[in-house]
Amino acid sequence: EVQLLESGGGLEQPGGSLRLSCVASGFSFTSYALTWVRQAPGRGLEWVSTIHTGGDTLYADSIQGRFTISRDNSQSTLYLQMNSLRSEDTAVYYCARGTSDTYYRFDYWGQGTLVTVSS
Amino acid sequence: EIVLTQSPGTLSLSPGERATLSCRPSHNVINKYLNWYQHKPGQAPRLLISGASSRATGIPDRFSGGESETGFTLTISRLEPEDFAVYYCGQSVFSPTTFGQGTKVEIK
Repeated sequence: EVQLLESGGGLEQPGGSLRLSCVASGFSFTSYALTWVRQAPGRGLEWVSTIHTGGDTLYADSIQGRFTISRDNSQSTLYLQMNSLRSEDTAVYYCARGTSDTYYRFDYWGQGTLVTVSS
Repeated sequence: EIVLTQSPGTLSLSPGERATLSCRPSHNVINKYLNWYQHKPGQAPRLLISGASSRATGIPDRFSGGESETGFTLTISRLEPEDFAVYYCGQSVFSPTTFGQGTKVEIK
């Protein structure tokens, strides 16, 4: 069974840092791109960042230069290092697996971890 | 950036009724690379449809995806109580990945 389990969220002050983790199981971790998607309170889904199997990374403009996505294939874990946090980064952060055998899609998602940025 | 516009914002229906949701891309270039996701509060989003019309594993056949003159549609033929949720269309064929703003299907 494919599982994605996020952790690391919490309350942080503006300007602070947090590192989110997403532990994957039930599939060959090295064979899939992985993505972070967030949902701010009362808002819809927003793509944040993607890391491909070869390590190539993509970032949304809103977090470029502040967040860093990475993966540890030996631990089947995805990370999101979040620096210079802003109030607008407050959201539930989901990790998702990307599958591209036919049409690219996010076929499995975690339950999410809540990040609150507030003084 | 491909902007996806979903309509309506909210759909108020009763169990057993048919729901039709729309998703219109800002540029008509994504071909069939359009996915639909279901999201319930406190839960992980769930993939329903990929490639505009292919149901994901385990998705009941009351869910169907298609194309229209203006874009894409998600149809739920007969609403079950567990289908009341927010539905998002999404595309990843062009970077950045984008999602529509969502359609909430609520109980009337």
